[in-house]
This record gives sequence, structure tokens and C-alpha cells, in this order.
Amino acid sequence: GNSVTQMEGPVTLSEEAFLTINCTYTATGYPSLFWYVQYPGEGLQLLLKATKADDKGSNKGFEATYRKETTSFHLEKGSVQVSDSAVYFCALRTNYGQNFVFGPGTRLSVLP
Amino acid sequence: DTEVTQTPKHLVMGMTNKKSLKCEQHMGHRAMYWYKQKAKKPPELMFVYSYEKLSINESVPSRFSPECPNSSLLNLHLHALQPEDSALYLCASSHPLLTYEQYFGPGTRLTVT
Repeated sequence: GNSVTQMEGPVTLSEEAFLTINCTYTATGYPSLFWYVQYPGEGLQLLLKATKADDKGSNKGFEATYRKETTSFHLEKGSVQVSDSAVYFCALRTNYGQNFVFGPGTRLSVLP
Repeated sequence: DTEVTQTPKHLVMGMTNKKSLKCEQHMGHRAMYWYKQKAKKPPELMFVYSYEKLSINESVPSRFSPECPNSSLLNLHLHALQPEDSALYLCASSHPLLTYEQYFGPGTRLTVT
């Protein structure tokens, strides 16, 4: 079946540190890949997406590249801020279903 | 406008009460979703409506009853809930083409006493 694996954390970084959150997937067909962010007490917000191999999604300084050969979609940011503290979910959606498959989420804490 | 709204924001109900959660979007999306999210867990899919018809029911207990009165509105009717049903209930919508992203509402925090 389809699945998403990501480092669960928590990840604790100092402000201005480099961030990587790993995400790998298993899917039939050709999935679209997404990163969502959830701030405390809120719903999920789409952070970025990629719909085909080698696509790079980017938004608010975050980037992720769809790597079909390694079935990965790792999230990176060059310099994190305290305001980036949140839970980050990697997700996929396949051509064969309407539902998303979410990873377990990675909690990020950024300290000043 | 990429906004999905949900009401109420918070709800406390007893196990014998009947209440409803509401969700609305005006993005012209024809697929709408209900998710349940427990603390420190990812959202779990409950129901999917596509073109106002129920297309996916993930074996949800009958005390949860979804309704899609039109293409912009989605309701979740609650009756005889259990304390373990306390969670954040999220609504989402998307274009029905299969690779489009979902847009989520802020959620309703439900507490069953």
C-alpha cells in the first residue's frame, strides 16, 4: 500500500540553523507530494508541493525536491526562525485515490 | 481566496447530546473531506464527498453522520459520542482531479464529557 515515513522528532534547533526533515514514500503509480505545516491550535497549511519527478517546491524559504530514484521529498530551510516552530507533515496523493496519505509528523522547536 | 471556514471553533458536549459541525468553502472545489486528529498524530480520514456524493467512508461509527447539502457546505452531525471521540475535527476541500492539493480549515476542537 501507499505510505509515508518521516523523522518524528522532536527536532530542536537554534535560530538561523539549517533544517532538514527527511521524508520517504512508498506508492503505486506517480504520486504528487506535499509538505503541510500545523502551528499550535490551528489547521494544516499547505507549505509546498511537487507533482512530478525532479520538481522542486518552494515557499517561505523552504524547499523540497521530488526524487523518484530515492523515493524521497526532504524538506530544507537554510536559516530557521523561532516562528517556524510547528509540526510538519509530509504527504502524498496518488493518481488512484482521492485521499491523502500523511506521514506521522515532525515537531520542530526553534530556540532564540 | 483559499479559505475553508469551520464552526464552531470549540465544542463541549455530553454523551447524550446531538450537535453539528459546519464547514464552508467558496473556491469552487467539488471534493470535501472530514478528518479526525488526535494530539501528536496526523489527521485520519473519515469521509470524502465528491460532487456532493459520499465517495469514501473509512468505517466510521454511525454516531458520526456526514451531510453535503450543496457544493460549498459540509456538515458533520454528532450523536451519542464517547469520550474517546474528543479530538480536533478538520474539514478540507480540493479540486476533484486526483493530484490537486487539499486546503484545510482551522478545525473544531471537540470535547466529549
